[in-house]
Amino acid sequence: GAVVSQHPSRVICKSGTSVKIECRSLDFQATTMFWYRQFPKQSLMLMATSNEGSKATYEQGVEKDKFLINHASLTLSTLTVTSAHPEDSSFYICSARDGRGGTEAFFGQGTRLTVV
Amino acid sequence: DAKTTQPPSMDCAEGRAANLPCNHSTISGNEYVYWYRQIHSQGPQYIIHGLKNNETNEMASLIITEDRKSSTLILPHATLRDTAVYYCIVRVAAMDSSYKLIFGSGTRLLVRP
Repeated sequence: GAVVSQHPSRVICKSGTSVKIECRSLDFQATTMFWYRQFPKQSLMLMATSNEGSKATYEQGVEKDKFLINHASLTLSTLTVTSAHPEDSSFYICSARDGRGGTEAFFGQGTRLTVV
Repeated sequence: DAKTTQPPSMDCAEGRAANLPCNHSTISGNEYVYWYRQIHSQGPQYIIHGLKNNETNEMASLIITEDRKSSTLILPHATLRDTAVYYCIVRVAAMDSSYKLIFGSGTRLLVRP
């Protein structure tokens, strides 16, 4: 199946700093990417939908100024957690769908963010 | 998108079939049923999807009832590596990228030695 790569897999940052997470589709072009957040023992929660070349669409309750999403190319989307706080510590996962019409979405391996 | 209901946990013996049920009684005619699984601390893995007909691939089989209000994912010969959380998701079929995958709580499957 198609490969979606996230980087970094783990990151620890100090409270108040910003962290950027990259999501790349390695063998296909992804016109749309999705960003999820998952707290321990909970399900994935969709944060936003990222469309190449346009502004991301955020789910209700997700602060767009805190979670900056950029999808500048068909193979790369980034999520920046700005002014991170300990409550932002979570597992962040991206997903991408092949823009040529594939129906299933492929997920990255996730990024474990710890804010200290 | 239609809501899905799954049992919170199940277990089965290694080598036996694992049958994971999912209810989606409000599903619409153009909504697909997708199954993903998530092994601890990893991203979800696609398993299978279907619309009306039963489907089979190298990983599993998907049985959809005739009224489409429920489905069952079958892992024919479960192994210890199949221990994971299994998510049943319903999404609208679209050729563009306008859909979203909304995850429910899933079923935690434990395969016993």
